[in-house]
Amino acid sequence: AQSVTQLDSQVPVFEEAPVELRCNYSSSVSVYLFWYVQYPNQGLQLLLKYLSGSTLVKGINGFEAEFNKSQTSFHLRKPSVHISDTAEYFCAVTRNTGGFKTIFGAGTRLFVKA
Amino acid sequence: GAGVSQTPSNKVTEKGKYVELRCDPISGHTALYWYRQSLGQGPEFLIYFQGTGAADDSGLPNDRFFAVRPEGSVSTLKIQRTERGDSAVYLCASSLGAPPETQYFGPGTRLLVL
Repeated sequence: AQSVTQLDSQVPVFEEAPVELRCNYSSSVSVYLFWYVQYPNQGLQLLLKYLSGSTLVKGINGFEAEFNKSQTSFHLRKPSVHISDTAEYFCAVTRNTGGFKTIFGAGTRLFVKA
Repeated sequence: GAGVSQTPSNKVTEKGKYVELRCDPISGHTALYWYRQSLGQGPEFLIYFQGTGAADDSGLPNDRFFAVRPEGSVSTLKIQRTERGDSAVYLCASSLGAPPETQYFGPGTRLLVL
């Protein structure tokens, strides 16, 4: 079975500062990794995903994430945040062979202050 | 084009009643997922359809929950003898295929069981 732990429930940060949202996962098999974002009053949308190959993945809106197999982590980063990045961010995993079930973390609320 | 739509957007019912929640996926998407999201939590997988068949229903919590997708497009999640603990936002997502294809989420149906 897979599980996902998002280490911070809330992250307040000032505008134009860098941010890192942490995600650790547990799995006995290889997985695909995802970050989703949920803006206020909107549905979830995909930010980026790791399938294989390069461990640094770039997504939409200037976000990137790095897959670290030894630490079983997939932290999300952005070098300079905007007010509009205020949202809930979810890390998720799916086993990469014969897997359909996507397991989500509890989410991290990013609050960008002016 | 049109995204995933879900109806109703809100549903209030009484304990013990039967409810149906509808999901209209993006046209041409063969894969469809149902999730349940409780307050302060990430989406919890319920069931995955590939075409008309449920390829993975391991997330359905008990036999009061049932989902169908008779023509491989619209899906209905059915909950019998509702309980207060069923109160949550029910999310639907569709994709072109199995993971790691990107899932596109609908806005959700907020179910409140009194």
